[in-house]
Amino acid sequence: EPEVTQTPSHQVTQMGQEVILRCVPISNHLYFYWYRQILGQKVEFLVSFYNNEISEKSEIFDDQFSVERPDGSNFTLKIRSTKLEDSAMYFCASRSGTGLGTEAFFGQGTRLTVV
Amino acid sequence: AQKVTQAQTEISVVEKEDVTLDCVYETRDTTYYLFWYKQPPSGELVFLIRRNSFDEQNEISGRYSWNFQKSTSSFNFTITASQVVDSAVYFCALSDPNFGNEKLTFGTGTRLTIIP
Repeated sequence: EPEVTQTPSHQVTQMGQEVILRCVPISNHLYFYWYRQILGQKVEFLVSFYNNEISEKSEIFDDQFSVERPDGSNFTLKIRSTKLEDSAMYFCASRSGTGLGTEAFFGQGTRLTVV
Repeated sequence: AQKVTQAQTEISVVEKEDVTLDCVYETRDTTYYLFWYKQPPSGELVFLIRRNSFDEQNEISGRYSWNFQKSTSSFNFTITASQVVDSAVYFCALSDPNFGNEKLTFGTGTRLTIIP
């Protein structure tokens, strides 16, 4: 069964460093997302990506964040200068978009720890 | 703005008991979709069910059942004869299809613990 794959599963980085989280969405899907879950809290939307551009972003997704689909298969989230409060589980998701209300499939997440 | 409320933060039941997880949502849209996701201790988010706003039929899938009531803006989830493997955090979510990208608005989740 197709699945969304995220790497790495856990990333530890020093405050101020750049980090890139990687995702391989399901191959025929059209919509891509990043969500964030701070430990013990709810899952929050960060950004959606469609047709090679950002379609919507949340207030959390400030200038320190960027997304890219560099080669038609990978979908990356970059945080330029990490802060302690960026520590969270980051989920990539993709959706086929072939009809309304199609479910999003999530990757297993990348746990980012900023020290 | 859309909002999802899961008032039950944590629930513990003894194995084989039935348990219902509550979900109340707010939206101004007439067309919307509701979802339940399961997050087991391993951390991933697993899709369980999708329901659109025009379909109020209850759904049963094995030990799982869902009750959608538009009049009370609720989409509750019942597990019958609970098992230890059901222990997880369960999230209710709402999407708005009117803007194409259909981002999900999640509730705060209910941590369900099944006691053997």
